[in-house]
Amino acid sequence: AQSVAQPEDQVNVAEGNPLTVKCTYSVSGNPYLFWYVQYPNRGLQFLLKYITGDNLVKGSYGFEAEFNKSQTSFHLKKPSALVSDSALYFCAVRDDDYKLSFGAGTTVTVRA
Amino acid sequence: EAGVTQFPSHSVIEKGQTVTLRCDPISGHDNLYWYRRVMGKEIKFLLHFVKESKQDESGMPNNRFLAERTGGTYSTLKVQPAELEDSGVYFCASSRRSGASGTGTDTQYFGPGTRLTVL
Repeated sequence: AQSVAQPEDQVNVAEGNPLTVKCTYSVSGNPYLFWYVQYPNRGLQFLLKYITGDNLVKGSYGFEAEFNKSQTSFHLKKPSALVSDSALYFCAVRDDDYKLSFGAGTTVTVRA
Repeated sequence: EAGVTQFPSHSVIEKGQTVTLRCDPISGHDNLYWYRRVMGKEIKFLLHFVKESKQDESGMPNNRFLAERTGGTYSTLKVQPAELEDSGVYFCASSRRSGASGTGTDTQYFGPGTRLTVL
């Protein structure tokens, strides 16, 4: 069985400060890890994914994530947050099966 | 390239009624998935089509839910009869490659979702 945990329901940061959204995972096979973002009244948008190779993955809108196998983590980061980054962020994992298993989501609020 | 589209965006129905949700995947995508998010909880997998065939329907909650993908293009998800606990947001996603090999690495692209409210 595979699962994802997002330990923080909410993250609040000031604009211009670094943003980190935490994610840990559990899989029995190879982990394929994804981050999605949902802006208000919008669908899920793909941000980035880790399949294999370099542990630091760069994605859309200046986001990046670091895969850490020993800590089974895949934290999402952005060096300088914008007010427009305020949204709901989901971490997801797939093993060798097709379906995604999502975390409960983390609401990010960036204040001006 | 058009993204995944879903219709309707919102649906409000009475308990016991029938509702049909539609999903149009990205053109050329063989894989189509349905997920739902109930009461602000995790997004849960419902089922997976490869072209017109059901590959995995292990997430379907019960036999009140029926999904079809005739001709391997758009898909419908019918709930009959609807119950209060079916309220939530139903997402559709699609990805390109078919077959077991490499499918796990494909990105699933999601539609905007259908918000279903059962009263």
